[in-house]
Amino acid sequence: DGGITQSPKYLFRKEGQNVTLSCEQNLNHDAMYWYRQDPGQGLRLIYYSQIVNDFQKGDIAEGYSVSREKKESFPLTVTSAQKNPTAFYLCASREQWGVGTDTQYFGPGTRLTVL
Amino acid sequence: GESVGLHLPTLSVQEGDNSIINCAYSNSASDYFIWYKQESGKGPQFIIDIRSNMDKRQGQRVTVLLNKTVKHLSLQIAATQPGDSAVYFCAENIGGYQKVTFGTGTKLQVIP
Repeated sequence: DGGITQSPKYLFRKEGQNVTLSCEQNLNHDAMYWYRQDPGQGLRLIYYSQIVNDFQKGDIAEGYSVSREKKESFPLTVTSAQKNPTAFYLCASREQWGVGTDTQYFGPGTRLTVL
Repeated sequence: GESVGLHLPTLSVQEGDNSIINCAYSNSASDYFIWYKQESGKGPQFIIDIRSNMDKRQGQRVTVLLNKTVKHLSLQIAATQPGDSAVYFCAENIGGYQKVTFGTGTKLQVIP
């Protein structure tokens, strides 16, 4: 059963704590992405990675960090420096090369709430 | 449930009628467009895509129309069903480029 999984589905954090969101894919996709979704707004890109051991900042990278040690995994850490972390976080992946590879496929999302 | 649908434009449609959801895109250089469906509390689900060398593409019960002159995209859903209730948003991309620009979405409510 191929796809993208994110865990946990719901996550609660106290102010001042770092928290890591998991994203795993078994689609053999090279590129992976993290987005943040807030009510009434479009998806905003946090970080993306085109290949293992490489990643780039998106539009709203401040207060977040990522790693890409394995092709199938792209965890996102929300640090205490992120001023407004409560949001719905979406991970996506995309096949990097070849015909018809422009589509991004999304995971089920993680809802982060800061208490 | 997930509050992603708050403050979005809403389209209410009677079950069995056709739905038309519109999207204005921003970049005249975009050459690839995607429609996603997002149900409450879930991740976006790919529906259909179209490249800029086409002006129409049909899928199962869905049709996407592209008007490059006015930078407009529409999604038509035939014989709308209650299961079609969700937020729909378009995305634009320049082929091969990493960044995808997403619209804010339209909430479709199907009235039984």
